[in-house]
Amino acid sequence: NAGVTQTPKFRILKIGQSMTLQCTQDMNHNYMYWYRQDPGMGLKLIYYSVGAGITDKGEVPNGYNVSRSTTEDFPLRLELAAPSQTSVYFCASWVTGLSSYEQYFGPGTRLTVT
Amino acid sequence: AQSVTQLDSHVSVSEGTPVLLRCNYSSSYSPSLFWYVQHPNKGLQLLLKYTSAATLVKGINGFEAEFKKSETSFHLTKPSAHMSDAAEYFCVVSVYTGTASKLTFGTGTRLQVTL
Repeated sequence: NAGVTQTPKFRILKIGQSMTLQCTQDMNHNYMYWYRQDPGMGLKLIYYSVGAGITDKGEVPNGYNVSRSTTEDFPLRLELAAPSQTSVYFCASWVTGLSSYEQYFGPGTRLTVT
Repeated sequence: AQSVTQLDSHVSVSEGTPVLLRCNYSSSYSPSLFWYVQHPNKGLQLLLKYTSAATLVKGINGFEAEFKKSETSFHLTKPSAHMSDAAEYFCVVSVYTGTASKLTFGTGTRLQVTL
């Protein structure tokens, strides 16, 4: 299993541009999550999904959109990028039935908006 | 609601000396607790996890943590620090609300290891 994969690894955007961060998992996990990590901080939840077609907001959803058309993929869309969205973005997944509630993380996407 | 407080933003130890990274939590439910490590410009690696089994949890690379419900603490320890342990450490609480498993991260403790 590749686990959770994210693309791209790095990206520089200009203010006002849009982009989609890709996240794929091959573990058949029903739950998927997007987090952002600002410098010197822990991770904050942006959006999550409990299965295909079902998404919900996390702690910091403004400026982002998500969709979940398949179990494997959970893309994060940034519309009208702003400098405040400069961050490292992590995708994670989890499956119900795992007693530990451990989430599996991707390697992250480092995004700079200038 | 749940929260995590990492009591030290920065800890510096000499190589070969013990490591103690402190974490307190609050949760309305029975929590699962984790420690993750993040090396510079890297992703998150799970060190260890507590899931209501043994209160003393052993993880990778010689780390362990003890869950103390009465003190709402989950401190991370290692008997002897190694240079490769220098990294950012996050204490995390997880709660399954019946709708989703949600993680709450502490703000992190940067561990510096000196010769």
